Amino acid sequence: GAVVSQHPSWVICKSGTSVKIECRSLDFQATTMFWYRQFPKQSLMLMATSNEGSKATYEQGVEKDKFLINHASLTLSTLTVTSAHPEDSSFYICSARFAAAQETQYFGPGTRLLVL
Amino acid sequence: GQNIDQPTEMTATEGAIVQINCTYQTSGFNGLFWYQQHAGEAPTFLSYNVLDGLEEKGRFSSFLSRSKGYSYLLLKELQMKDSASYLCAVMDSNYQLIWGAGTKLIIKP
Repeated sequence: GAVVSQHPSWVICKSGTSVKIECRSLDFQATTMFWYRQFPKQSLMLMATSNEGSKATYEQGVEKDKFLINHASLTLSTLTVTSAHPEDSSFYICSARFAAAQETQYFGPGTRLLVL
Repeated sequence: GQNIDQPTEMTATEGAIVQINCTYQTSGFNGLFWYQQHAGEAPTFLSYNVLDGLEEKGRFSSFLSRSKGYSYLLLKELQMKDSASYLCAVMDSNYQLIWGAGTKLIIKP
């Protein structure tokens, strides 16, 4: 099956710093990638949808200047949390799909971010 | 608005059967998914229903009734490793997944 990786799996940073999370589709070309955030004991919350070569579409309430998304190639999307604060501490999960199977999203293993 | 409801928590005994229900109201429908999520891990795909009826896959089965906006996930011969959260998600007309809050399943010996 299709494999999606995320890096890093764990990151601890100081308040005010920026953190970049990578999401890669390893064996397929992902026309669309999704970024989710999950707080403890809550369900996944879609943050943004990104299509290769175009600007990401952000969900209501998600600050696009704080959560920078770049989908520069068909196998890589990055999420940068700028000027991170403790309330940004969460589990960030990406998923990817390819055009021929729009009903299927392949999830990465997630990145746990802790901002001190 | 779009809404997906599933119980917050369920408890079952090892070896038994448990049914987790999910009701939904969404703008458009392109299928219903069930995912399993262990604590601290990303969701893993369990099943996909787009037509009415029952889909069986080993110990897990998933049922869909589009007219009722209803689905259930049936887990048989429960094992301790089945302790996890089970997420119901509906794909809307824009092919976006709308997620339920998840059902935490606790398996007791």
